[in-house]
Amino acid sequence: AQSVSQHNHHVILSEAASLELGCNYSYGGTVNLFWYVQYPGQHLQLLLKYFSGDPLVKGIKGFEAEFIKSKFSFNLRKPSVQWSDTAEYFCAVKMGGGSQGNLIFGKGTKLSVKP
Amino acid sequence: DGGITQSPKYLFRKEGQNVTLSCEQNLNHDAMYWYRQDPGQGLRLIYYSQIVNDFQKGDIAEGYSVSREKKESFPLTVTSAQKNPTAFYLCASSTRTAVTQYFGPGTRLLVL
Repeated sequence: AQSVSQHNHHVILSEAASLELGCNYSYGGTVNLFWYVQYPGQHLQLLLKYFSGDPLVKGIKGFEAEFIKSKFSFNLRKPSVQWSDTAEYFCAVKMGGGSQGNLIFGKGTKLSVKP
Repeated sequence: DGGITQSPKYLFRKEGQNVTLSCEQNLNHDAMYWYRQDPGQGLRLIYYSQIVNDFQKGDIAEGYSVSREKKESFPLTVTSAQKNPTAFYLCASSTRTAVTQYFGPGTRLLVL
């Protein structure tokens, strides 16, 4: 079955530490890839997305993600986290080309940044 | 001010009761979606609608019903058949040709 895996349930970092959150999916065809973020008490917001082209995608607030097709991965990175990055992060994948098909979400990774 | 609104923010359901969650969007999006979010489970698709007067079941449609009589509105009814309704419910929308979905603030449903 098609699925999206996020390896870490809860990550705790100190401010200025580097961040990498893993995301893998199980599908061999064309994919559209997303990272969403849910700050405490706020609604889900789009952080970045990849459709095609340069596999290194830059998003808002200094986040970036790299699509590695051979590894079926789309890991999220940030060189130096801030306390305000404390949130839950969701990877989502649309499997298959075109506009049909639905997003499949990972179970989320909760990030806690200690000041 | 464009966006997606969901109401109420909190909703309480008694045993055997049907409750309806509201979702409205003024983004002129054709497609709308309902997700359920449980701790540690991510988001799971309940129902979606690509166009007015048409909708399809998602992965966990049992115990839920929807209608799509207007482009702007996609209400979700949690019926008494849904045995574990306590969750955070998220509504989203997108254009028909685009993949990116935009989310509302959510409704937290609690059972009394």
